[in-house]
Amino acid sequence: QLVLTQPPSASASLGASVKLTCTLSSGHSSYAIAWHQKQPEKGPRYLLMVKSDGSHTRGDGIPDRFSGSSSGAERYLTISSLLSEDEADYYCQTWDTGVRGVFGGGTKLTVL
Amino acid sequence: QVQLVQSGAEVKKPGASVKVSCKASGYPFGNYDINWIRQAPGQGFEWIGWMNPYTGNTGYARQFQGRVALTRSTSMNTAYMELSSLTSEDTAIYYCVRPDIGYYVFAYWGQGSLVIVSS
Repeated sequence: QLVLTQPPSASASLGASVKLTCTLSSGHSSYAIAWHQKQPEKGPRYLLMVKSDGSHTRGDGIPDRFSGSSSGAERYLTISSLLSEDEADYYCQTWDTGVRGVFGGGTKLTVL
Repeated sequence: QVQLVQSGAEVKKPGASVKVSCKASGYPFGNYDINWIRQAPGQGFEWIGWMNPYTGNTGYARQFQGRVALTRSTSMNTAYMELSSLTSEDTAIYYCVRPDIGYYVFAYWGQGSLVIVSS
């Protein structure tokens, strides 16, 4: 079964960088995933897609402070030069033939 | 540019049904699936199902089968989600989303429609 696992929380200081992790379940390490941001009281925003080879493609208007990478079954979202507005929930998402929407449980990022 | 504009908030009683609309613009409506996702208060995202606007074919998450119907009006470039037998656990923000070109990542989101189920 295709499952995405994320740590529930992360924190980093204003101006620093943070790397968020999304882990694909066994047997699914070749899957690409997407990262989405959900700020409080705002709609979700698609950030970027990360492939198994580590390449990533940002969504429309997403600044290059957001980048993606990959190692084995893990997919990463790195946010550099953290701003207070980056404090949000971050979700990874992938898909399969039958179930076209699979989400991780989300990571709540606190900017200190 | 791609836009998905959803209908407004709804308040429903337990046992009732709700129908949410999603009007697409900025691209050929029939060329991309529309998916529906929801987020209950304090919870993560839950995928509901997909619809191909060109063929009308659909697929639903197991937990919603028999209780949800995804339809469309090609003349109005609008997708619909109807959820029946509502309970308080269906209180959530419902989003329509469209995948990107080539990969099934949800690159475009509607603004969300709040559905409150309360007696």
